[in-house]
Amino acid sequence: EAGVVQSPRYKIIEKKQPVAFWCNPISGHNTLYWYRQNLGQGPELLIRYENEEAVDDSQLPKDRFSAERLKGVDSTLKIQPAELGDSAVYLCASSPTTSSDTGELFFGEGSRLTVL
Amino acid sequence: AQSVSQHNHHVILSEAASLELGCNYSYGGTVNLFWYVQYPGQHLQLLLKYFSGDPLVKGIKGFEAEFIKSKFSFNLRKPSVQWSDTAEYFCAVGLPGKLSFGAGTTVTVRA
Repeated sequence: EAGVVQSPRYKIIEKKQPVAFWCNPISGHNTLYWYRQNLGQGPELLIRYENEEAVDDSQLPKDRFSAERLKGVDSTLKIQPAELGDSAVYLCASSPTTSSDTGELFFGEGSRLTVL
Repeated sequence: AQSVSQHNHHVILSEAASLELGCNYSYGGTVNLFWYVQYPGQHLQLLLKYFSGDPLVKGIKGFEAEFIKSKFSFNLRKPSVQWSDTAEYFCAVGLPGKLSFGAGTTVTVRA
């Protein structure tokens, strides 16, 4: 079974440039998460989707971050414009369960963003 | 504030030594508890989990963890580490809709 696939693995951009990350979850997993992991810290949730609906985007900085999951399968996370503080690893995860009782999450390898 | 605290930021030990990583959480009520591991260059993967029942849970690669409800703790242990256990270890609490992670502990095992 294929795991969660993310791309790109690494991205280096200058500040004020846009950037986008893509995620394909495990087949059949309805719930998709985007987490951000800053250096030396644990992952922090940015947004959660149940199928194509964003059910929790309370931690997403909406002035510059956006996300979509149009067909309820793969997802894109965008930052425009990027700031120095956005340098981090962006993790995508998926789960077969609904949100009422969080079980195991399956993570991708992450996309490491460096903003210069 | 609700949080997950991992006691050690970086642990260095020799092969065959015993390992114990502390984790405390401040969420009330019933929670699911997890330890995830991230080996160098790899994705986060589940090491073990506790939902209910026996508070001593066994995971992959000889790891185990003990849930002590009165102490809000879920400490990870391994009796004898190997060089291949070098990794970053994250404790996490399962809340409605997400996992809340601790800051992680980097474990370096010297051969």
